[in-house]
Formats: sequence, C-alpha cells, structure tokens
Amino acid sequence: DAKTTQPPSMDCAEGRAANLPCNHSTISGNEYVYWYRQIHSQGPQYIIHGLKNNETNEMASLIITEDRKSSTLILPHATLRDTAVYYCIVRAGQGKVIFGPGTSLSVIP
Amino acid sequence: GAVVSQHPSRVICKSGTSVKIECRSLDFQATTMFWYRQFPKQSLMLMATSNEGSKATYEQGVEKDKFLINHASLTLSTLTVTSAHPEDSSFYICSARVTEWDTQYFGPGTRLTVL
Repeated sequence: DAKTTQPPSMDCAEGRAANLPCNHSTISGNEYVYWYRQIHSQGPQYIIHGLKNNETNEMASLIITEDRKSSTLILPHATLRDTAVYYCIVRAGQGKVIFGPGTSLSVIP
Repeated sequence: GAVVSQHPSRVICKSGTSVKIECRSLDFQATTMFWYRQFPKQSLMLMATSNEGSKATYEQGVEKDKFLINHASLTLSTLTVTSAHPEDSSFYICSARVTEWDTQYFGPGTRLTVL
C-alpha cells in the first residue's frame, strides 16, 4: 500500500473550517484514500473515503486532486470535539489499514 | 456506521498470567478482523489479521505463540496475551471489515496493564 505524508500537527479556531492535507504521490490506480480519526484513548473512527471523485458526508468532505497525488479532508465547522489525531491512509480494496503518525488537530476556542 | 465492541475495556493483571480480549461485530458479519496495539504517544501498529475459520496471519516481529488469536465465528475474534509481562502493557484495538463496503470499523480498545 502507498505511503502518505501528513503534517504532524495543526491548529484550527472553533467554528472555522479545518483543512487537513495529505500527500500520497505513489498511490496506485486501484487504491482508495481513507480518513480516520482517533480521539484520545478511544478506537479510531471512520470518517470518509474516496477513489477519485470528491466525497461528502455528514462528518466531512474529501477533496482529491485530479492526479490523485494528494487530498484534503475538510471539517466545515470545527468544534472542540473534533480535537483528535487524523489519519490519512491509502489502500487497495482488500488491503490492510496501516497507520502512519497522522496529524494532531487542536481546535482552539 | 457498523459497530464493533471490545471486552473488557480495561484490565489489570499480574505478570505471568494470561488475558483474553474479545472483539465483536454487533450488527454485521465480519470474515476478517484485525488486531492492533498502541503504545503511549505512538500510532497504531498492526499485529495480525484474523480470518474466520482459519489461522491468523501475524505481522513481522509479532510472536504468534504469545498473542493467540481465535476467530471462531463471523462476529467474534479473541486475542489472548499469554504469560503477560509489564512490557505487554498497551492499548489493544480490534477492527472488523464490512466485506460489502470494504471499510474497516474499529472497536473502542482495551487498556491492558500488567503489574
């Protein structure tokens, strides 16, 4: 599975949009981009995934560049409860979910 | 989304004893479940892949005789830490794959402390 690169940490003001970037320049054509987050001392929570089209659900939006080498997770109105470590993972259909260090997002009042 | 539970949520045991952790998919069947371990301030590390009705596949460096995995049904996988030592103290997390969606959902984790 392709590796991803994320900034180690980010801050976001409460109520503002949080834009979390992820680089996956070696992604293969059959690999999806998945996002999970982990709030302290809890199991990871699935957020969203996509292949090449932008995706939106009740939690977030996922924007994937046309060349698929990078993506951005958008939390439209960040709240304090969104403070967590966010993991960007690329994997093929039956591939394992392998976690990198992720981005620690702090939402600030 | 799909719900995965773990039991117990927290366990303290003496060195040398064995501890069993259960992972259940509550509202779906999972032919494949995964076990992860997470040390403080680190990311999750995949330990093994558990397939219903067959032997688990362990990641490099994970001792299969120490971490026994059983996946006897489509909704239950168990991890047994045998002869636990203080260095096995960690946060153990399981996940289950919803085959038709091909998405993994994670349990809430089990905090193991070995004294």
